[in-house]
Amino acid sequence: DQQVKQNSPSLSVQEGRISILNCDYTNSMFDYFLWYKKYPAEGPTFLISISSIKDKNEDGRFTVFLNKSAKHLSLHIVPSQPGDSAVYFCAASGRTNAGKSTFGDGTTLTVKP
Amino acid sequence: DAEITQSPRHKITETGRQVTLACHQTWNHNNMFWYRQDLGHGLRLIHYSYGVQDTNKGEVSDGYSVSRSNTEDLPLTLESAASSQTSVYFCASSEGTGGTYEQYFGPGTRLTVT
Repeated sequence: DQQVKQNSPSLSVQEGRISILNCDYTNSMFDYFLWYKKYPAEGPTFLISISSIKDKNEDGRFTVFLNKSAKHLSLHIVPSQPGDSAVYFCAASGRTNAGKSTFGDGTTLTVKP
Repeated sequence: DAEITQSPRHKITETGRQVTLACHQTWNHNNMFWYRQDLGHGLRLIHYSYGVQDTNKGEVSDGYSVSRSNTEDLPLTLESAASSQTSVYFCASSEGTGGTYEQYFGPGTRLTVT
């Protein structure tokens, strides 16, 4: 039973437009959510996170929205740039499994010039 | 600058051989993790450690073992390599409990078992 799901394996957007990546979770004990970005032949790098006490967190072009009632979060990238082309992983963590994260399968974002 | 390194970056081995993948971090983090990444499966947790002498099994631990004798290192051992263990392996570390749970990843080791 996959507790963190990214239902879209891939997403293609035009440079300058908005990219929206989605993530759903099933475990209500998760209280911290993270997004990681991964380029080919590199390890994932942390991008942005959100605590369950918030519904939005913004960092430059990246904004994460959390809808606890729907157990859904999304990552918005505005404006999208070709350098944003990468695999994006959603991850969830919580006090009950302190330090351990459960990852989604990832969404490959392609930003076309 | 603090970092997390993995060695080797690429490894080809034969079925049945014992293989050890190294992971070294200079963040002084208590938590360390091993994941494998396969097409269509994202990152799956193999083993993790919350400190020296502490090790725990993750969701895909069969055929793997780890040991934590110091803060900096968490080597991953494949006791008898199988073709199903062909994968890309990532090591990660994070602060102890109470932190933001952000993990710092190494560059990965691509392992091929023939």
